[in-house]
Amino acid sequence: SQTIHQWPATLVQPVGSPLSLECTVEGTSNPNLYWYRQAAGRGLQLLFYSVGIGQISSEVPQNLSASRPQDRQFILSSKKLLLSDSGFYLCAWRTANYGYTFGSGTRLTVV
Amino acid sequence: SQQGEEDPQALSIQEGENATMNCSYKTSINNLQWYRQNSGRGLVHLILIRSNEREKHSGRLRVTLDTSKKSSSLLITASRAADTASYFCATHQGSARQLTFGSGTQLTVLP
Repeated sequence: SQTIHQWPATLVQPVGSPLSLECTVEGTSNPNLYWYRQAAGRGLQLLFYSVGIGQISSEVPQNLSASRPQDRQFILSSKKLLLSDSGFYLCAWRTANYGYTFGSGTRLTVV
Repeated sequence: SQQGEEDPQALSIQEGENATMNCSYKTSINNLQWYRQNSGRGLVHLILIRSNEREKHSGRLRVTLDTSKKSSSLLITASRAADTASYFCATHQGSARQLTFGSGTQLTVLP
């Protein structure tokens, strides 16, 4: 079956520290993968998407970067976190019928 | 930028009543999707309606699409307390590989 895993579920990091959030999918090959961020009580903002290994498209300039070292692995990173990076980060992959399957999310609090 | 805008932002109804949420968008679309998000969790895909479809049903869900008005509605019939969640519309436009989400409607179903 097709599943998506995202971890950790919650993270508290100090300003200036690095970040690495990992997302992996199972049961599919060559998926389109996405990182979204959701501010409290708001909709989702697309950060990055990837259509294949090493292929990353950035939607907004920011303090974050993404990488896709393997077909089913998508990583969101930052070298130095800012307070404004706090939010709920969601990984997703696009299914064959164009619907998205989301991970359970990571609540990041930068202090 | 957000393509879809949901209306109302918040809706509170009694169990057993119907809930209607609306979504408006700005540009032409390939399809429109509705998602549900329980507090602090990932989004769950509910239903997809293509631009050449006008109405679609799935269980207690009914979605309509009016491309001339660039709007869609989600109707939940015979609502239950477990339907309490945020509901988001999302649009897939042209050759874009990503979905653009609205800001959501917070639905509260009172027992």
